[in-house]
Amino acid sequence: DGGITQSPKYLFRKEGQNVTLSCEQNLNHDAMYWYRQDPGQGLRLIYYSQIVNDFQKGDIAEGYSVSREKKESFPLTVTSAQKNPTAFYLCATRGGDWDGYTFGSGTRLTVV
Amino acid sequence: SQKIEQNSEALNIQEGKTATLTCNYTNYSPAYLQWYRQDPGRGPVFLLLIRENEKEKRKERLKVTFDTTLKQSLFHITASQPADSATYLCAPIMDSSYKLIFGSGTRLLVRP
Repeated sequence: DGGITQSPKYLFRKEGQNVTLSCEQNLNHDAMYWYRQDPGQGLRLIYYSQIVNDFQKGDIAEGYSVSREKKESFPLTVTSAQKNPTAFYLCATRGGDWDGYTFGSGTRLTVV
Repeated sequence: SQKIEQNSEALNIQEGKTATLTCNYTNYSPAYLQWYRQDPGRGPVFLLLIRENEKEKRKERLKVTFDTTLKQSLFHITASQPADSATYLCAPIMDSSYKLIFGSGTRLLVRP
């Protein structure tokens, strides 16, 4: 998937648990993004980071947290405060300002 | 707030015909717009980028137009093939942070 690895592919979470989704890239891209996709809907931005040790909230950040300690890694934690976490989560990177995004293969999270 | 509209109904066409998908946006003027292809259960794949000062962009059988007066982009696939069947997402850039806003996509079905 173009140098981006998301894991796990499928994840099941019990009510009240925090879970962390992994996103690793070897593209040497500065900018990284987390999106959420629900059936029949477009991608919605959760968090993004344009440089190491810095990140900003997207449109639906409530109930999520991120860190960017290394250029290669941008993990997303879905906390128990996220009331409807079942969705398809996509991580993406961007190289230059005018480049398209490169997406990972996604993690499908289900609350059981 | 910014709004992206793509036809939610699937486009069903015969192999060999030209598919035309529409993307309309409101309440802002993006500096550029991107198109992506998404297959079921996979992350989107970048296809084309068109800038606000470009009327048309081509890549092999793909053509994108960008009408900033109408606030509309059209995406064409000529000589369509069954392998072109997928969901196509329109994504105008949001602002100077290079965040993208994604439409919900239009599903294209190409019949043999």
